[in-house]
Amino acid sequence: AQSVTQPDIHITVSEGASLELRCNYSYGATPYLFWYVQSPGQGLQLLLKYFSGDTLVQGIKGFEAEFKRSQSSFNLRKPSVHWSDAAEYFCAVGVLDTGNQFYFGTGTSLTVIP
Amino acid sequence: NAGVMQNPRHLVRRRGQEARLRCSPMKGHSHVYWYRQLPEEGLKFMVYLQKENIIDESGMPKERFSAEFPKEGPSILRIQQVVRGDSAAYFCASSPPRGGSQTQYFGPGTRLLVL
Repeated sequence: AQSVTQPDIHITVSEGASLELRCNYSYGATPYLFWYVQSPGQGLQLLLKYFSGDTLVQGIKGFEAEFKRSQSSFNLRKPSVHWSDAAEYFCAVGVLDTGNQFYFGTGTSLTVIP
Repeated sequence: NAGVMQNPRHLVRRRGQEARLRCSPMKGHSHVYWYRQLPEEGLKFMVYLQKENIIDESGMPKERFSAEFPKEGPSILRIQQVVRGDSAAYFCASSPPRGGSQTQYFGPGTRLLVL
């Protein structure tokens, strides 16, 4: 069965520091991979996605993610975090053969300290 | 191009009442998905619809929950005889017709509180 694991429930970083949020998935084929960000009380905003091709993908707000097939990972990175990046981050796997439903991780809550 | 619209944004119901949640997909999108987010959890898939068709309802509870996406108008998620455990945020997403991007674009959600 497909699954998505975000091992870090909560991460705290200082403003200006680098950030890496981990995501591991379980799926038999190459999935579609996504990162979404959710601010409190808001919906989900798409940060970036991977379908195929270059394994390093660039997203909005200075985020990037790297797909590593050998590790079944799709970690999100940002070189310098801004206070406005504080939010909940969700990794998701899209699986076409089950009707394109998405499987979400449980999320990582990011706190940014001045 | 307006995004995915959901209303109401907040809904309060007493136990036993009905809740109706509406979702209007992005223009040009013909696929609609409903997800539920319980507190401190990720989103869980409920149902996938196209116009007038339910494609996958494997995530829907067997009782009290139903969804539709009529030829005209928004998609509706209906919860009958709500219970406290139904309190959650319900998100709708839409995507273009198959063959294009499979990206799902999410609405702002409806926060349901059952008293």
